[in-house]
Amino acid sequence: SQELEQSPQSLIVQEGKNLTINCTSSKTLYGLYWYKQKYGEGLIFLMMLQKGGEEKSHEKITAKLDEKKQQSSLHITASQPSHAGIYLCGADLGAGKSTFGDGTTLTVKP
Amino acid sequence: SQTIHQWPATLVQPVGSPLSLECTVEGTSNPNLYWYRQAAGRGLQLLFYSVGIGQISSEVPQNLSASRPQDRQFILSSKKLLLSDSGFYLCAWSYSIGYEQYFGPGTRLTVT
Repeated sequence: SQELEQSPQSLIVQEGKNLTINCTSSKTLYGLYWYKQKYGEGLIFLMMLQKGGEEKSHEKITAKLDEKKQQSSLHITASQPSHAGIYLCGADLGAGKSTFGDGTTLTVKP
Repeated sequence: SQTIHQWPATLVQPVGSPLSLECTVEGTSNPNLYWYRQAAGRGLQLLFYSVGIGQISSEVPQNLSASRPQDRQFILSSKKLLLSDSGFYLCAWSYSIGYEQYFGPGTRLTVT
């Protein structure tokens, strides 16, 4: 997707290490969503951010949306093999339309 | 609780053959429904979305069409498949515009 840029494209970390995935838009977002996908499966909803400066956490995963609502980061603390997968950010463009980033493939080495 | 079903899980079809993929949602009414295609190593491309029965919006000109004959049923079709139609097709639903989407397990389509 050209509307949402995710970085890095792939990430390999040692178990126990922290990591951050970024998602950037050139436009102000109505809402920003983070999903996780196992290869060949559907997406699992993680978190939604709507307000500038908002931060949400679920277990060891924290997502933030910047004040301008154009950039979001997903941070995993003390990564585990169960965190491995593809992380995608998605955005609500309004009027029922949505767009997704190309995803970040995370590998966690035990 | 709400659940979303897609079938078939995998499909191998020859070029020029028709296609019909089905998606149904249980446990909610009047959901927004979406069809996406995911190419290998890429993000999701929104193909169609629907805010109600018979209301379909197309995002990308292509060889595919969508229909919503019932409130919780969304069908993706093609009259003649192309090689470029191969991919992983995902159906999703949301309560309304601006809400998070919940995805089905996907259909892997291979056009040979």
